[in-house]
Amino acid sequence: GAVVSQHPSWVICKSGTSVKIECRSLDFQATTMFWYRQFPKQSLMLMATSNEGSKATYEQGVEKDKFLINHASLTLSTLTVTSAHPEDSSFYICSARDPAKGNSNTEAFFGQGTRLTVV
Amino acid sequence: GESVGLHLPTLSVQEGDNSIINCAYSNSASDYFIWYKQESGKGPQFIIDIRSNMDKRQGQRVTVLLNKTVKHLSLQIAATQPGDSAVYFCAEVTVNQGGKLIFGQGTELSVKP
Repeated sequence: GAVVSQHPSWVICKSGTSVKIECRSLDFQATTMFWYRQFPKQSLMLMATSNEGSKATYEQGVEKDKFLINHASLTLSTLTVTSAHPEDSSFYICSARDPAKGNSNTEAFFGQGTRLTVV
Repeated sequence: GESVGLHLPTLSVQEGDNSIINCAYSNSASDYFIWYKQESGKGPQFIIDIRSNMDKRQGQRVTVLLNKTVKHLSLQIAATQPGDSAVYFCAEVTVNQGGKLIFGQGTELSVKP
């Protein structure tokens, strides 16, 4: 099956610094990727939809200037958490669907997630 | 962002018993629904999906039931095994919203040997 890879798996950073998380589709091209965040014992919350070659679409309440998304190629989307603060500590997960399989394919593939801790 | 992000309910079952995990969804216009399994520290793993024009679908040891009247979805796991212990999420998808997944609350399943 299709594979989506995230890097890094975990990161610890100081408050006020920025952190970049990468999401790659390894064996397919993804025109659209999705970014989620998940707090402990809670569900996944959609942050934004990343579109290759265009601006990301952010969900209501998500600060686009704080969570910068770049989707410069068909296999890579990045999420940069700018000026991170302890409350940004969370599990960040990306997903992508293989468009070559058409609308009949309902399966979205998820990365393994990135655990961000801001100290 | 959209979410039903409250703390997770838990379900504890004995190994070999059947498990039923429930989910309420929000959008009556959703086109299909997916169940995911998430183990600690990992991303969600696809289990089974069902289109909105169906009311039942079976997979290997799993069955998903869809009741559109009350916007309810359930996942039945037969002969539950310790390896089934995880958090289970339902997700709904509306095609004309770009195919994004909106996740439900989730249930933590614990299987006792």
